[in-house]
Amino acid sequence: GQQVMQIPQYQHVQEGEDFTTYCNSSTTLSNIQWYKQRPGGHPVFLIQLVKSGEVKKQKRLTFQFGEAKKNSSLHITATQTTDVGTYFCAGPDNAGNMLTFGGGTRLMVKP
Amino acid sequence: DGGITQSPKYLFRKEGQNVTLSCEQNLNHDAMYWYRQDPGQGLRLIYYSQIVNDFQKGDIAEGYSVSREKKESFPLTVTSAQKNPTAFYLCASRVQDRGGYGYTFGSGTRLTVV
Repeated sequence: GQQVMQIPQYQHVQEGEDFTTYCNSSTTLSNIQWYKQRPGGHPVFLIQLVKSGEVKKQKRLTFQFGEAKKNSSLHITATQTTDVGTYFCAGPDNAGNMLTFGGGTRLMVKP
Repeated sequence: DGGITQSPKYLFRKEGQNVTLSCEQNLNHDAMYWYRQDPGQGLRLIYYSQIVNDFQKGDIAEGYSVSREKKESFPLTVTSAQKNPTAFYLCASRVQDRGGYGYTFGSGTRLTVV
């Protein structure tokens, strides 16, 4: 079945440093979604990428979708303590009926 | 405000008991989902439903059951057949066939077997 993998599993950064998490799918995706889960909370939808090579920005967050539509990345510039949490990527099955989530990257920021 | 309500927030189950987790949404979303999250892990799909009176198994459906009698409600029963039910259970919904809109999640139910 479809597999979605993320690296790294954990990342500690000093406040102000940059952070990147990478997502790879075993199959070509029609789109990829990113979610953020704060400690003790629930996942919150951040963004969806659809086009090959697409790049989208949300303030300090930059999302990329690979040319082959099998990988994606999330880059945070100048991390802040409010960025703490686990970031998940997720891709739909071929029918678009369900999402498969990656294992997530847990970001910890030292003030 | 529209959203998804999961209850209870915390649930304790004795060995051999069935328990039902509630999920209600007032977003008028067609599709609803149940995911399981273990500590430090990702989300694994248990069951999903795209329309009323229809649902499909996800990757880890064994030991669980669901119903979808109303569009707004998608309860999950954790049966005694589920050998390791202690986990964080998340319900989600989305508008079907509409790009650019991700899943909306409820605040979850933490189930512990005692």
